[in-house]
Amino acid sequence: KAGVTQTPRYLIKTRGQQVTLSCSPISGHRSVSWYQQTPGQGLQFLFEYFSETQRNKGNFPGRFSGRQFSNSRSEMNVSTLELGDSALYLCASSLTVAGSTDTQYFGPGTRLTVL
Amino acid sequence: DQQVKQNSPSLSVQEGRISILNCDYTNSMFDYFLWYKKYPAEGPTFLISISSIKDKNEDGRFTVFLNKSAKHLSLHIVPSQPGDSAVYFCAASSSRSGSDKLVFGKGMKLTVNP
Repeated sequence: KAGVTQTPRYLIKTRGQQVTLSCSPISGHRSVSWYQQTPGQGLQFLFEYFSETQRNKGNFPGRFSGRQFSNSRSEMNVSTLELGDSALYLCASSLTVAGSTDTQYFGPGTRLTVL
Repeated sequence: DQQVKQNSPSLSVQEGRISILNCDYTNSMFDYFLWYKKYPAEGPTFLISISSIKDKNEDGRFTVFLNKSAKHLSLHIVPSQPGDSAVYFCAASSSRSGSDKLVFGKGMKLTVNP
């Protein structure tokens, strides 16, 4: 089975621009979660989508948004980029909702650099 | 406010010895705990988990211990191998909070020297 794929792998943007990241979950997985990883904060939860609905949301500003399509693929959008948005953005998929007994499988991440 | 804390940023051990990675949490509603391992340029991979109804779970060289009263868990790797060198993340979730999102620690870099 193919793993979680994320595109693009690397991205360089300037302040004020917007960016869209894409995630394709493992076939059959219906839940997609997004995380931001930075050296100072570790892995922080952004949001989770299940069956095209946002199920959970972390403590990030409204500039961060996402959506999930009927084929479970998900996109994450960040508008009005700030320098502090530079991070590794990880996507994880699981069969059902992310949580106690359902293992999440992570993609390789998209490295976003904001100049 | 860090609900899951990995207070040591790094650990270095000799091959063949035991590696002990520690994790503390503050939210008493957490009832499921996981460890993930992350190599550079790759996403985290699931390693081992433990439910709050247990105090120990073992899988090969990896054992996780949970001390609920101390809100502390630890991952033991015995014997440590150079391929274990990676960043390890502790994560927790609560099935009772209505939100199943995983809360991660900041990670700890383990280096196993040959």
